[in-house]
Order: sequence, then structure tokens, then C-alpha cells
Amino acid sequence: QKEVEQDPGPLSVPEGAIVSLNCTYSNSAFQYFMWYRQYSRKGPELLMYTYSSGNKEDGRFTAQVDKSSKYISLFIRDSQPSDSATYLCAIRRGGSNYKLTFGKGTLLTVNP
Amino acid sequence: DTEVTQTPKHLVMGMTNKKSLKCEQHMGHRAMYWYKQKAKKPPELMFVYSYEKLSINESVPSRFSPECPNSSLLNLHLHALQPEDSALYLCASSQDSGTSGSFVTDTQYFGPGTRLTVL
Repeated sequence: QKEVEQDPGPLSVPEGAIVSLNCTYSNSAFQYFMWYRQYSRKGPELLMYTYSSGNKEDGRFTAQVDKSSKYISLFIRDSQPSDSATYLCAIRRGGSNYKLTFGKGTLLTVNP
Repeated sequence: DTEVTQTPKHLVMGMTNKKSLKCEQHMGHRAMYWYKQKAKKPPELMFVYSYEKLSINESVPSRFSPECPNSSLLNLHLHALQPEDSALYLCASSQDSGTSGSFVTDTQYFGPGTRLTVL
């Protein structure tokens, strides 16, 4: 079983839609959860960082973590064409282990 | 300024060539990383430098040789590469190497990458 699973999509939605992106992970040792956005031919950009179960909101983006189910989500409200990118979940163990384990990434297209 | 710069943007090399990729950050970060990313795949960690010392080598072949001349610079020396090494090579940096579990110290900032093609 892979450490983190992410539906690669692709996902195509109309402008203004609510987008839900999801990852599951297998090991409860993972304590830190991140979402990165990567535009074509660019490096990944950190969007959200959480470490506890619950919701964290930043503008149109909400990150949700359910540690009991080992499930993390990213919601995008009022999606815009500029949100079209690949979204990568990334998880990290606690303590001195700094290695990020990435999901496969979900390619999102928001159509005007 | 949260910028990580990488040069060159594109590199084409033959299997017998020697070339180097360069990465620079001026954020005072003490951890720097090299990742390899193949098309439609997530980044894969190659090396981590923490306080200018190599702290992790993810079993990367010796034809890839990292170097950290100072706290702002990270190089990746390439020699005798194979066509399957063609990929986007990403550099990242963070304030710390991740011991504190803090958003501030753990956040990895990525550069735009060098797109490498090995013929």
C-alpha cells in the first residue's frame, strides 16, 4: 500500500464551482499535511499547511484533516480559471523527519 | 522575498557530458533540497543539505553529485547521465530541516526548476 494516495483526475469544472480534492494516507505517524499548487512548467507553491484534525481556511481555500480516517481534503470555493493547475498533497512525519511524501497530484481545469 | 532561483531553465546534454545545475536563495534558509520530477509524477526527494552538510541521500546514483558551497547556494553536478534521467529538477529551501514541526521553519519554497534532457 502506498503511503499516500491521491486521485490523479483530471478534474474539469465550470468557473464558480466548488472543488474538492482528496488524499488518503496509510500511516498514523504522519503528522503534518500540506497542499501545493503547481502550474505547468513551474515549481510547486505551498497553499496550505495543517497539523491537526479539523478545518483551516485561507480565503477561498479550506484544508480539512481527519486523522482518525487518515483522510485530507482541499476545498476551493468560487473556483477561477487561474486555479487551473496540478494540486499535490504532501505529508510529513513528526520530529526530525523532514521528508515530504507527495501524492500523485490532481490536474484541475476551471473552464470560464 | 521568498524566491528560489535556478539556472539554467533548460539544459540538453549528451551522455558523456559534465554539467551543473545551480540553485540560490537569499532567505537565510539553512536547509536546501534537490528533487527530481518526471512528467505527470510528484517530486521525488534526492538530497537534503542541512546547515551546509549533506544529511540525506535518497539512494541517488553517483552520476548525480550535490555540493553546497555556502548557505545560499546549492549545486547538482551531472556526469554520464542516462536518457531516463531526463526530468524537471527542482530545488527547494526551508528555514530549518524540519525538526520543529512549525509552519514557519518547515515550509519548503521551490524554485521554478531546470528542465533537463539527456540525449
